[in-house]
Amino acid sequence: AQKITQTQPGMFVQEKEAVTLDCTYDTSDQSYGLFWYKQPSSGEMIFLIYQGSYDEQNATEGRYSLNFQKARKSANLVISASQLGDSAMYFCAMREDPGSNYKLTFGKGTLLTVNP
Amino acid sequence: NAGVMQNPRHLVRRRGQEARLRCSPVKGHSHVYWYRQLPEEGLKFMVYLQKENIIDESGMPKERFSAEFPKEGPSILRIQQVVRGDSAAYFCASSPQTSGGSYEQYFGPGTRLTVT
Repeated sequence: AQKITQTQPGMFVQEKEAVTLDCTYDTSDQSYGLFWYKQPSSGEMIFLIYQGSYDEQNATEGRYSLNFQKARKSANLVISASQLGDSAMYFCAMREDPGSNYKLTFGKGTLLTVNP
Repeated sequence: NAGVMQNPRHLVRRRGQEARLRCSPVKGHSHVYWYRQLPEEGLKFMVYLQKENIIDESGMPKERFSAEFPKEGPSILRIQQVVRGDSAAYFCASSPQTSGGSYEQYFGPGTRLTVT
């Protein structure tokens, strides 16, 4: 079974509108972390936002917010007021906490295109 | 304020040659992770190292691949007798020694390996 599922291979949004990128995850751990990374066409991985499994409030970082629904095991990324520079691949990732191994498991990504 | 450095950024090898990929973590970080990204895919974990120790190599192919993180110097991912299927982007990430919490893995820019 996939540990991280991103069901939207591609998404389009109009500049200045909000967009939600979906992510569901599968884990039996009680303690885990969820991350979103952005990968522009230049290829580097840019950290956007983090949500811990015990965090009661949804994480926010500027125009990025994470809609965390623990019971549904979903961690959707919301980008408000989209900009042309937001066009990129977006990856959801999970860190499970078995001891001290903090490797990340990534989804297959969503390609976001922001139209002017 | 140097982040994670990887070199070379692009590497071309003929089938059967060896590829050596280098990663210098953020200064003071003692944990290094290697990930591989095949075309159109998310990143997949390969190996997790601390100084002079391999902690988890469960994602690394058993043959031809090896990794090290010596006491002094960069971490090295070595691929012997490369094949076309090894063509991918290889990312290194580092993290500090502190455990848990909202720390992120800091990613390098990646090495794009092309096997001809």
